[in-house]
Amino acid sequence: EVQLVESGGGLVQPGRSLRLSCTASGFTFGDYAMSWVRQAPGKGLEWVGFIRSKAYGGTTEYAASVKGRFTISRDDSKSIAYLQMNSLKTEDTAVYYCTRGIDYGDSVNWFDPWGQGTLVTVSS
Amino acid sequence: DIQMTQSPSSLSASVGDRVTITCRASQSISSYLNWYQQKPGKAPKLLIYAASSLQSGVPSRFSGSGSGTDFTLTISSLQPEDFATYYCQQSYSTPVTFGPGTKVDIK
Repeated sequence: EVQLVESGGGLVQPGRSLRLSCTASGFTFGDYAMSWVRQAPGKGLEWVGFIRSKAYGGTTEYAASVKGRFTISRDDSKSIAYLQMNSLKTEDTAVYYCTRGIDYGDSVNWFDPWGQGTLVTVSS
Repeated sequence: DIQMTQSPSSLSASVGDRVTITCRASQSISSYLNWYQQKPGKAPKLLIYAASSLQSGVPSRFSGSGSGTDFTLTISSLQPEDFATYYCQQSYSTPVTFGPGTKVDIK
């Protein structure tokens, strides 16, 4: 069974850092792009960023709202994707989902499956 | 960036109704359009990819159509488990963008 499990969420003060992990199982992790999508309380889905597979260079793309503060990385040997979040703001408060995608061209195709999500609360 | 809009933002329907949700892109995205279903407290679930392809395991009452800028998600006969919020998403270019969602609730 293909599965994604996020961890690392919690309460953090503004300006501090937090690292989320996404542990994958049931598929060849290195063959896929991995993406993070977040959802603020009561709001819609917002794409955060993705990391391409090594076959597509392993490069990253980010939403403008997090670029320069968030970094996505991957460890294919452990089947884990990471989201390093620095200089956190109150508006970063959200459930963060990890999801798998298929590389193509400059983007990533549909997202499937999704993890259960981990809540990040940024508050003093 | 490509902007995605959805209409309506919410609708009330009865079990057995035919439901249609519309998604529009701010520029042509060919068929790079996907639909997700999200129930309260749960992660989104892929329903339709590439505008009209049904994801494995998704009931055949769900269908998608369209290309270019205008797309539709249709539920042919609404079931109790279909009450949820539906999002469209374009994968034509980065940044990936989602529509604002359409909430389907019980009439």
